[in-house]
Amino acid sequence: EAQVTQNPRYLITVTGKKLTVTCSQNMNHEYMSWYRQDPGLGLRQIYYSMNVEVTDKGDVPEGYKVSRKEKRNFPLILESPSPNQTSLYFCASSPNPGHYGYTFGSGTRLTVV
Amino acid sequence: QQQVKQSPQSLIVQKGGISIINCAYENTAFDYFPWYQQFPGKGPALLIAIRPDVSEKKEGRFTISFNKSAKQFSLHIMDSQPGDSATYFCAASHYYNTDKLIFGTGTRLQVFP
Repeated sequence: EAQVTQNPRYLITVTGKKLTVTCSQNMNHEYMSWYRQDPGLGLRQIYYSMNVEVTDKGDVPEGYKVSRKEKRNFPLILESPSPNQTSLYFCASSPNPGHYGYTFGSGTRLTVV
Repeated sequence: QQQVKQSPQSLIVQKGGISIINCAYENTAFDYFPWYQQFPGKGPALLIAIRPDVSEKKEGRFTISFNKSAKQFSLHIMDSQPGDSATYFCAASHYYNTDKLIFGTGTRLQVFP
């Protein structure tokens, strides 16, 4: 089944404790992206990647890091999480977002206390 | 600054009625306008999309109407069903930067029997 898989689905952590949210896609898509969803703000792009070793900042990149060492994986790293990063995070992939849109994962609900 | 403005924030429709969600944009460089549907606990899923060279696109009960001069586009759900109850997001991307898909703030639709 073609899909984008994120792990974990739920995570509660403490301020400052580094964490990684993994994302993997099995569709051989070039493009991958991370979004965060907050009430009243919709979906905001954090980082995106056009291919292996090519990444760029989205609209809200502060406090996040990404890497794209393999085509299928695009982990999101929070080196020192803060409470304002409590959110619902989505990973997405696409062969070309401007023509086909993104396929989204099921989300990771992160709470930073 | 919200590049894609979506309204209403919430919508209640009776079964069989028409649901209408509106979006407006400023940037004339946008040339791809998808709509996403999100059920609770799931990631957004591409529903229907349009390019500005056509004024309307229909897929089953879902229709996008596009007004290029007014820089507005809308989603119409005909014969709305309880199973359509979800959050709907409009989005847009630039023709020269297709990696970035910019979302509206979402509309929560509830269809009552």
